Amino acid sequence: QQQVKQSPQSLIVQKGGISIINCAYENTAFDYFPWYQQFPGKGPALLIAIRPDVSEKKEGRFTISFNKSAKQFSLHIMDSQPGDSATYFCAASWGAQKLVFGQGTRLTINP
Amino acid sequence: KAGVTQTPRYLIKTRGQQVTLSCSPISGHRSVSWYQQTPGQGLQFLFEYFSETQRNKGNFPGRFSGRQFSNSRSEMNVSTLELGDSALYLCASSLDTNEKLFFGSGTQLSVL
Repeated sequence: QQQVKQSPQSLIVQKGGISIINCAYENTAFDYFPWYQQFPGKGPALLIAIRPDVSEKKEGRFTISFNKSAKQFSLHIMDSQPGDSATYFCAASWGAQKLVFGQGTRLTINP
Repeated sequence: KAGVTQTPRYLIKTRGQQVTLSCSPISGHRSVSWYQQTPGQGLQFLFEYFSETQRNKGNFPGRFSGRQFSNSRSEMNVSTLELGDSALYLCASSLDTNEKLFFGSGTQLSVL
């Protein structure tokens, strides 16, 4: 119930393409869904987050799509750049509860 | 504004020893969380402290413990180290809830 399942584990996209990472959850109490980006040698950094009352949130080239009925959410990176190559984690939490992370997706953008 | 600071960056220990890791949160942040990151298990939640009290706890054995001081700085301790404890230990701070976590760069622990 506390798990967040993330796919794919790794993803290779050509420069300028769209990167899509998916996550699914079971716990309907979750009300906060962030995405984190991690570069080698660094801790994860908050990229973008969404709450269940909206179906989409866009910040620059990054968009979260949220499907409450399917209990799924996804990250879309438009016009992917080599600098976007990193590991991406989805996560979920509710109230003051711990943030539960997905397993991570290693994204590689080929120039 | 200074970020989350973790010390040391690297540690090498042998089995059976104990280790203490330190975390200084962003000024004004009262919540500090600890995560263990390994290639196979991803980011696993250890525990969270808020205003010197443990507020959440993950599923780790009692060898893993932590505390938070009145200035919000936190320490975690691992006793009787095992080879499987080799990991990157990340500390994250936030204002109050577990939203908008700010992570440090971590302490890379190697147990030989």
